[in-house]
Amino acid sequence: GAVVSQHPSWVICKSGTSVKIECRSLDFQATTMFWYRQFPKQSLMLMATSNEGSKATYEQGVEKDKFLINHASLTLSTLTVTSAHPEDSSFYICSAIRWDSSYEQYFGPGTRLTVT
Amino acid sequence: AQSVTQLGSHVSVSEGALVLLRCNYSSSVPPYLFWYVQYPNQGLQLLLKYTSAATLVKGINGFEAEFKKSETSFHLTKPSAHMSDAAEYFCAVSEAGNNRLAFGKGNQVVVIP
Repeated sequence: GAVVSQHPSWVICKSGTSVKIECRSLDFQATTMFWYRQFPKQSLMLMATSNEGSKATYEQGVEKDKFLINHASLTLSTLTVTSAHPEDSSFYICSAIRWDSSYEQYFGPGTRLTVT
Repeated sequence: AQSVTQLGSHVSVSEGALVLLRCNYSSSVPPYLFWYVQYPNQGLQLLLKYTSAATLVKGINGFEAEFKKSETSFHLTKPSAHMSDAAEYFCAVSEAGNNRLAFGKGNQVVVIP
């Protein structure tokens, strides 16, 4: 149990376009989801915390108008990268906390975004 | 704000030898500490966690870690490395009651036959 999926697993888009990444908890309800960004050979950096039914909380330095997060239901959160640029190319990872857990995060496999 | 330091991006260990991955943390409040493992093309998987209970924590796949407050450390060990232990390992910290994780840079473990 506690499986988190992401779709797509990889995506290539042109500079200036927008791309949406989905994060789903497949077998549990997630009150909170997180979005991370991972650069090659580097660690995961928390971008934002997403709570179902409320606005996301963004970490310092993350542009909320560029990285739109919508937590539409207890099993789905989406990250939309708007007006993408090559510097947005990265590995995006989501995680989710089960409704009955206070701290354990379950991670998705990640989405590789390449902006050309 | 909390932070984690993991030294040595690549760690080579012989099969059957001790695996030791070091993690030092910084936190202004009591921390929760985690070790995650990431296999190629897979999501992070929780190995073990410290959440203010026993300081010696046992996890999956024979790994364990000890929380030492005086040294602000949470080093990960496994007595005998197996080929299947080849992966990337991340140490992470959060403030107790706050789920925002700060990750270290990770250790890529290579197991030599």
